[in-house]
Amino acid sequence: DAKTTQPPSMDCAEGRAANLPCNHSTISGNEYVYWYRQIHSQGPQYIIHGLKNNETNEMASLIITEDRKSSTLILPHATLRDTAVYYCIVRGGRDDKIIFGKGTRLHILP
Amino acid sequence: KAGVTQTPRYLIKTRGQQVTLSCSPISGHRSVSWYQQTPGQGLQFLFEYFSETQRNKGNFPGRFSGRQFSNSRSEMNVSTLELGDSALYLCASSLERGAKTQYFGPGTRLLVL
Repeated sequence: DAKTTQPPSMDCAEGRAANLPCNHSTISGNEYVYWYRQIHSQGPQYIIHGLKNNETNEMASLIITEDRKSSTLILPHATLRDTAVYYCIVRGGRDDKIIFGKGTRLHILP
Repeated sequence: KAGVTQTPRYLIKTRGQQVTLSCSPISGHRSVSWYQQTPGQGLQFLFEYFSETQRNKGNFPGRFSGRQFSNSRSEMNVSTLELGDSALYLCASSLERGAKTQYFGPGTRLLVL
């Protein structure tokens, strides 16, 4: 079973920040939070990952709460090309499988 | 650097047949994982290969098998195909086992009639 809970869908206006929440209340100390997205009919694309500090790259920012039980992926200026299913994944050591949940289907509204 | 490539991209088979799918990882990547994606079950982990050895396995029947070659290329095989095996099969590569980032290929879409 997936270790994360995400809303099934969200809407965001084009040009606004998209904030996608993820609950991972059972996360353990050595587990990382990863975000991937999948645009229709393509393979998932890596976005960002973090352990406990907030992270930022050219695609997005990841905010992890202090207790690490939840996180938020932020797409600062959403465009129509950001329409996709976003997966939040918790993964630990080298023997840990990547288990995908249902993800959040993000609709960017023009 | 070229991404993960998968062949063929589309495939149609009939029940009872077998199929072999191929994956070429990003150059230098040594770990290859396979996933099955269906509308009902979503993305499910099949297995992971590293150094020509299966290192991790998901909950799939023995009809699903794979292997990895010395150049890190990987193949997966499904024998005695069933209608429920119709899916998008995705391959992902990473530098090492447990690497933080996996890079996915475009997938092979298999239709079983």
